[in-house]
Amino acid sequence: DQQVKQNSPSLSVQEGRISILNCDYTNSMFDYFLWYKKYPAEGPTFLISISSIKDKNEDGRFTVFLNKSAKHLSLHIVPSQPGDSAVYFCAASFSHGQNFVFGPGTRLSVLP
Amino acid sequence: KAGVTQTPRYLIKTRGQQVTLSCSPISGHRSVSWYQQTPGQGLQFLFEYFSETQRNKGNFPGRFSGRQFSNSRSEMNVSTLELGDSALYLCASRARGTDTQYFGPGTRLTVL
Repeated sequence: DQQVKQNSPSLSVQEGRISILNCDYTNSMFDYFLWYKKYPAEGPTFLISISSIKDKNEDGRFTVFLNKSAKHLSLHIVPSQPGDSAVYFCAASFSHGQNFVFGPGTRLSVLP
Repeated sequence: KAGVTQTPRYLIKTRGQQVTLSCSPISGHRSVSWYQQTPGQGLQFLFEYFSETQRNKGNFPGRFSGRQFSNSRSEMNVSTLELGDSALYLCASRARGTDTQYFGPGTRLTVL
């Protein structure tokens, strides 16, 4: 049973528009959430994180929103660029960085 | 600072053989985790080592084992390879007291 779910295997967005990637989790003990981006033939690259004591964290074009009551987080990319085309993984952990659990990933395609 | 390095990058083995993969973490990072990535499954946690001790273990059979050396370098071993072991094996390191993992490029293992 997957504890971290990314129900959209793929997403296509026009360049300049907003990309919204969603992630749901089942374990309310998770206290830290991260987003990673992965290009083919490379390891995942850390993008942005959020602690469970916050509901929003912003870094440039990337914003992560956390809704603890719904056990849901989302990554917003504004504006989307062709270089953002990659697989995005949502990850959750508890015990401050132990026991990382990753979602299956969402493939984002940003069309020029 | 050099990133996480993994060797070899590509490996082809046949069923029944064994394989050893190597990971060198970012300098100063003492935590090393291993993940298996297969299409549609996302990243599956294998194990985590800290200061030469296995701290966490995922739900993989005993054919998968690892170790960490005093210089924090880690090796992962898979014995009696099966076709289903074909995957990208990723290593990640983390600084003590932080929650963010940094990934290497991975080793692509193909079992024929």
